[in-house]
Amino acid sequence: GQQVMQIPQYQHVQEGEDFTTYCNSSTTLSNIQWYKQRPGGHPVFLIQLVKSGEVKKQKRLTFQFGEAKKNSSLHITATQTTDVGTYFCAGRLWRSGGYNKLIFGAGTRLAVHP
Amino acid sequence: SQTIHQWPATLVQPVGSPLSLECTVEGTSNPNLYWYRQAAGRGLQLLFYSVGIGQISSEVPQNLSASRPQDRQFILSSKKLLLSDSGFYLCAWSETNQPQHFGDGTRLSIL
Repeated sequence: GQQVMQIPQYQHVQEGEDFTTYCNSSTTLSNIQWYKQRPGGHPVFLIQLVKSGEVKKQKRLTFQFGEAKKNSSLHITATQTTDVGTYFCAGRLWRSGGYNKLIFGAGTRLAVHP
Repeated sequence: SQTIHQWPATLVQPVGSPLSLECTVEGTSNPNLYWYRQAAGRGLQLLFYSVGIGQISSEVPQNLSASRPQDRQFILSSKKLLLSDSGFYLCAWSETNQPQHFGDGTRLSIL
């Protein structure tokens, strides 16, 4: 079935280092969303990308959607301890005339050492 | 503004006991509703989704069931819990094809 693969599964960095997580889909996506889940919390929506090749920024976070709309990345510049958590991508499949399913990646757990 | 309430926050149940988790949404009409399960340190597994009252779609075979008796109420149930049902259960809502908004979740432990 359709899958959204996300790597790495886990990464730890020193505070101030950069961090990137990648998502790849086996099929073309209608859009892709990114969520952050703090330890012990629930996923919180960060951003949605819709257009081929789209790039969006939120302060130190940069989100990209691939030209083929099959892959995406989240890059954090100069990580801080507040960035700790698990980052999930979620790809929206496109189906005509029906519910457009959202498929979550397995998540990348980020640990930041001060 | 829209809010989502999910309870209880924590639940400890014996094997074989029944389960009922409730989720309600306020501030929106005819939302899409979802139940997810998250094993410790793992991703989100979609269990059920609903696009309207009485309309439930199941994503994975299991001993859980879901019901939507009212527009903004979503209930997750089981008649007899298994050890493997332990996990973090999350309810979420969204407008059609829009981002999902999650409740605070229920941590379910089966003994």
